[in-house]
Amino acid sequence: GAVVSQHPSRVICKSGTSVKIECRSLDFQATTMFWYRQFPKQSLMLMATSNEGSKATYEQGVEKDKFLINHASLTLSTLTVTSAHPEDSSFYICSARDMSSYNEQFFGPGTRLTVL
Amino acid sequence: AQRVTQPEKLLSVFKGAPVELKCNYSYSGSPELFWYVQYSRQRLQLLLRHISRESIKGFTADLNKGETSFHLKKPFAQEEDSAMYYCALSPPGSARQLTFGSGTQLTVLP
Repeated sequence: GAVVSQHPSRVICKSGTSVKIECRSLDFQATTMFWYRQFPKQSLMLMATSNEGSKATYEQGVEKDKFLINHASLTLSTLTVTSAHPEDSSFYICSARDMSSYNEQFFGPGTRLTVL
Repeated sequence: AQRVTQPEKLLSVFKGAPVELKCNYSYSGSPELFWYVQYSRQRLQLLLRHISRESIKGFTADLNKGETSFHLKKPFAQEEDSAMYYCALSPPGSARQLTFGSGTQLTVLP
């Protein structure tokens, strides 16, 4: 299957700083990528849909100024957590939709964010 | 709004026993239903989708529109089936946006 990578896999930052997480589709082009958040022992919650060349669509309750998404190319989407606070600590997972594979979503390995 | 319910957080069965992971959904329409699996220390991956009517690794799932259920079944569980299983729903025409259930941790005992 197609491969999606995330970088970094783990990041620790101080409160008030910004953190950027990258999501790349390695062997296919993805016009649509998705960003999820997963709290410990809970399910994945869709945060936003990232569309190449246009603005992201955010789910209700997700602050777009807090979680900046950029999808500047067909293989890269970035999520920037701005002015991070301890409550932003979570596991962030991206997925990319492969149109050549029945629109299947392929998931990245996730990024563990810890805000001190 | 759509919702996916997996009533069992934990499920343990012995090797060779049948296993059924329950999934119920609420959506006013005809969504696509999926089962995703996450093995220990691995990423989430698609197990099967209702539209394909396929059997993967011995697992099957039948969409029951009357009961709004999409239970995952396997007649003879194997130890390597131990994993976290998520049921997910995607509304038609939604660019495959997924709504996940809370997941069921399946443990197959030797």
